[in-house]
Amino acid sequence: DAKTTQPNSMESNEEEPVHLPCNHSTISGTDYIHWYRQLPSQGPEYVIHGLTSNVNNRMASLAIAEDRKSSTLILHRATLRDAAVYYCILSFTILKTSYDKVIFGPGTSLSVIP
Amino acid sequence: KAGVTQTPRYLIKTRGQQVTLSCSPISGHRSVSWYQQTPGQGLQFLFEYFSETQRNKGNFPGRFSGRQFSNSRSEMNVSTLELGDSALYLCASSDRDRGNGYTFGSGTRLTVV
Repeated sequence: DAKTTQPNSMESNEEEPVHLPCNHSTISGTDYIHWYRQLPSQGPEYVIHGLTSNVNNRMASLAIAEDRKSSTLILHRATLRDAAVYYCILSFTILKTSYDKVIFGPGTSLSVIP
Repeated sequence: KAGVTQTPRYLIKTRGQQVTLSCSPISGHRSVSWYQQTPGQGLQFLFEYFSETQRNKGNFPGRFSGRQFSNSRSEMNVSTLELGDSALYLCASSDRDRGNGYTFGSGTRLTVV
């Protein structure tokens, strides 16, 4: 099972950018990198995903290292509503015949300070 | 497009009883996965079903079982409940055969007393 490592917790000031790192040194060439976040008392929600190139959407940006062994989720302006646990996970491979387990690590608990 | 629906939202059961939880995936999604979430252990993978077949299984005892129906709806069953089974049970659906990720339901909060 592909594994990721993230810091346990991070803090950010409101309206400042946040960079959430993730290491995935054992990533295979066909694994997507997905980010989810979980707000209190809710199920995880999709944030962004990518394969090789950096990605942007209305929620965040994803910067992927050239060797794909790490990635960074960027929240451009943190708000209080961004306080959540952020998970970086692998799998959802582009290989349609592969169904590896999708394993969630402990994630990074992001606190946003007003 | 309706989201992932889990029922019931809350459940209280007594030790030794059994429980069945239900998950209706997003229309068109054929993969359904189940996770157990506790404060101490985080999100633990239970199993994944695709087209009525179990594709993956986590490290849980045989008391935890599941199934998927032809309409992709899934149920999970826990027999002989223990206090430690108290958790939030999350269901996630995907069309991952197309390389896409998960959409999670809001979960079922199970309390075993």
